Amino acid sequence: NAGVTQTPKFQVLKTGQSMTLQCAQDMNHNSMYWYRQDPGMGLRLIYYSASEGTTDKGEVPNGYNVSRLNKREFSLRLESAAPSQTSVYFCASSPDSNVLTFGAGSRLTVL
Amino acid sequence: SQQGEEDPQALSIQEGENATMNCSYKTSINNLQWYRQNSGRGLVHLILIRSNEREKHSGRLRVTLDTSKKSSSLLITASRAADTASYFCATDAGAGNMLTFGGGTRLMVKP
Repeated sequence: NAGVTQTPKFQVLKTGQSMTLQCAQDMNHNSMYWYRQDPGMGLRLIYYSASEGTTDKGEVPNGYNVSRLNKREFSLRLESAAPSQTSVYFCASSPDSNVLTFGAGSRLTVL
Repeated sequence: SQQGEEDPQALSIQEGENATMNCSYKTSINNLQWYRQNSGRGLVHLILIRSNEREKHSGRLRVTLDTSKKSSSLLITASRAADTASYFCATDAGAGNMLTFGGGTRLMVKP
């Protein structure tokens, strides 16, 4: 029972490079989310997808794009990474937009 | 901006003692949730309390909600070293699918 799987777990990028964080869930959940976690800031919502085919901006969407590829997968793309995007990124899913199940996180460092 | 603010930011207690952490929020909510995060891991859902509920129990956890004061508390009774983690409150204000997290309380339980 994998739950929510994120890849990669760790990534180091140079400023201006691009990359995609992958997320997949096997619980048949409708809603999926991307959060970033910075020290002392809690989690801030970047983008979410209420259902397959829809995406919406969260609190801090600038510099990111997302794709809800199908019901299982929700990817987060950084087109031109900046040091301010150094963070731990968490993907989560929910059957009903209430209780979230989180992945283990992806630690990204932008030099 | 964060909807929920936890207090204290850090708490250190001895095994067997009770731990109380508080969460204050700014706007009306549909429900409030508490999550736990072990170091280097994703968040795990602990308990959800709806706006029309005042108290809820789950094992050694007791959550209260005071909507007039816009605050909630999480009590962990008879704490164990394994309870060492960060605890976050999250509020569902009904604004689409956005669950908003506070900055967390870091709990250390000394054996």
